[in-house]
Amino acid sequence: EVQLLQSGAEVKKPGESLRISCQGSGYTFTSYWITWVRQKPGKGLEWVGRIDPRDSYINYSPSFQGHVTISVDKSINTAYLQWSSLEASDTAMYYCARHYEPATINYYGPWGQGTLVTVSS
Amino acid sequence: IVMTQSPVTLSVSPGERATLSCRASQNIGKTLAWYQQKPGQAPRLLIYGASARATDIPARFSGSGSGTEFTLTISGLQSEDFAVYHCQQYNQWLAVTFGGGTKVEMK
Repeated sequence: EVQLLQSGAEVKKPGESLRISCQGSGYTFTSYWITWVRQKPGKGLEWVGRIDPRDSYINYSPSFQGHVTISVDKSINTAYLQWSSLEASDTAMYYCARHYEPATINYYGPWGQGTLVTVSS
Repeated sequence: IVMTQSPVTLSVSPGERATLSCRASQNIGKTLAWYQQKPGQAPRLLIYGASARATDIPARFSGSGSGTEFTLTISGLQSEDFAVYHCQQYNQWLAVTFGGGTKVEMK
């Protein structure tokens, strides 16, 4: 069974750094891009960016460029989303999702269970 | 590309048909996907390419449309179908965008 397992909920203070993870299993990890999506409480979905696990090629949404970093460690089938300085506005659920087909086609399934990030002083 | 979903909330009785709309601010061809999201769960891919059902998606879910107007139809609504539905365009692959969602609730 194809699964994406995300790291647990985090509570951080503004200005702190954070890295959350997404581990894939049940498929060839390097054959499918991974995308990150943000969902603020009670709101819609926002595309953060994507990474190709084969060569770590990355695309960021202009809205997130410069504020987050996406990376991957293909030796352990894991993708990461990280912040060097969190803001209160980063409070949200973050999902990773595998691209549905082994190409850069941008629709996603399956998804990880989500990681809730809370940033509060 | 701005994606606009309507209505925001749709009240439907079990067994009835639900028709959800998604409009793109510019022509996206058939580069549209639909997702279902239940409370406390991650989204699940239902439809891609505007009309192709993803693996294990029941036939009561169907998608149609092209260009700027798209529809998701759920025929014979079942209790497990009450959820929020999101549309997503992937025509601009460096600027993927989602609609605001439609909540399908029990009437």
